[in-house]
Amino acid sequence: EIVLTQSPDTLSLSPGERATLSCRASQSVRSNYLAWYQQKPGQAPRLLIYGASRRATGIPDRFSGSGSGTDFTLTISRLEPEDFAVYHCHHYGSSSETFGQGTKVEIK
Amino acid sequence: QVQLVQSGVEVKKPGASVKVSCRASGYTFSSHGITWVRQAPGQGLEWMGWISVYNGNTNYAQKFQDRVTLTTDTSTSTVYMELRRLRSDDTAVYYCARDSLDPWGQGTLVTVSS
Repeated sequence: EIVLTQSPDTLSLSPGERATLSCRASQSVRSNYLAWYQQKPGQAPRLLIYGASRRATGIPDRFSGSGSGTDFTLTISRLEPEDFAVYHCHHYGSSSETFGQGTKVEIK
Repeated sequence: QVQLVQSGVEVKKPGASVKVSCRASGYTFSSHGITWVRQAPGQGLEWMGWISVYNGNTNYAQKFQDRVTLTTDTSTSTVYMELRRLRSDDTAVYYCARDSLDPWGQGTLVTVSS
C-alpha cells in the first residue's frame, strides 16, 4: 500500500497568511488519485480537492491543489478564520486506500 | 440533495459484533460505491473497505479482512458495515462515504468497553 506522509504536523499562522501543506507518497499515485479534506472538531471530513487539483463543488478558490507522482501540495492563499482545522490527504481509487496522518492549521 | 445518513451511537462489550448502517438518498444508489473509514479518538482517518453497490464486489483493508463485512440492501438504499470480535481499540467514529470522496455520512460512534 502507498504510505502518505504529511508535513508539517502543525502549522501556526495568522488570518490572511498563506498556508502550504505537503503530502508525500511512498510510491507514485496512479492517475493523480489524491484528495484533500478539511475536518473540524466533531464533524465529518469535507472534500476540498480531488484528482490532485480539482476543487470540489462549493469550495472557495482560495483553496488549490497541485502536484503529481509522489509530491502533492494543498495551498490556502489567504487564511480565513473558518479555515483553521485539520487537513487530510487521501490516496483513493485503488484496492488499498490510505490517508496521511493529518496537518493541523492553528491560529498563531 | 445527495446525502448519507448513518445509524446511531453503539456501545458494545469486547468480543461482540456491531452493525452500522448508511442510508443513501438524492442519487442513483447503484451507480456509486460506498467506502467505510474510521477515526479513533484524537487520531487520523483509517480506510476499512469499499463495496460496489452495483454488483456487491468488496475490497477490504488487510487489517480488517477477517473481521469486517460490507453488504447492501438496494430496496432501502442502505449499506451495512459489520465488525466482529470487537476490541477496546475498535472504539472510534465510523464513517461511510460515496465513492471514497463525497459526501460523507455524519459518523457513528462505536464504543467498546467492558
